Amino acid sequence: DTEVTQTPKHLVMGMTNKKSLKCEQHMGHRAMYWYKQKAKKPPELMFVYSYEKLSINESVPSRFSPECPNSSLLNLHLHALQPEDSALYLCASSQDFVGSTSYEQYFGPGTRLTVT
Amino acid sequence: KQEVTQIPAALSVPEGENLVLNCSFTDSAIYNLQWFRQDPGKGLTSLLLIQSSQREQTSGRLNASLDKSSGRSTLYIAASQPGDSATYLCAVGRSDYKLSFGAGTTVTVRA
Repeated sequence: DTEVTQTPKHLVMGMTNKKSLKCEQHMGHRAMYWYKQKAKKPPELMFVYSYEKLSINESVPSRFSPECPNSSLLNLHLHALQPEDSALYLCASSQDFVGSTSYEQYFGPGTRLTVT
Repeated sequence: KQEVTQIPAALSVPEGENLVLNCSFTDSAIYNLQWFRQDPGKGLTSLLLIQSSQREQTSGRLNASLDKSSGRSTLYIAASQPGDSATYLCAVGRSDYKLSFGAGTTVTVRA
């Protein structure tokens, strides 16, 4: 099973709301990622968790707060977002992140976020 | 900085024709190269992963080649079908273990 699941599929939120995106994988992967993708653009890396610890934060604004409660789950907490944050948010996982062997990344279906 | 380019940006072919998608990168010190498919508004589906030590990978009608010295990878899709219509992205695994994505080639296969 090479499935990464994401909920919700769609989310509409106001600029004062607090919401969370959820990602789950059961492949035993130890690295999990959040990407942001705007229309007709490639994905942009936001965060990387390796062994449940935050390894990379690509200078993402603090209104985005990631959390990795366990090795299978990854959350992205959203607060006080701006309309320009509207995008497709993709979660991905891989067997590992850092090492001499390179690993395949598996992506979820994404959450379409609209900020009004 | 690794720059990844995919040309053309869009491609339209009749059903049954073979597809050739190109990906070029500027830094040959790569860890791997991954080809993805993305349908509109959906996530990315991994098609093939080529390790830096490999020259090609095959899966069904798909074949991907890698030439690090020239900074190129090519994805071949044999006997295209309307269901192959999608955007195809290549991503290069860098020495810092992140992926550098190309902008993608949008393919339309006409029935």
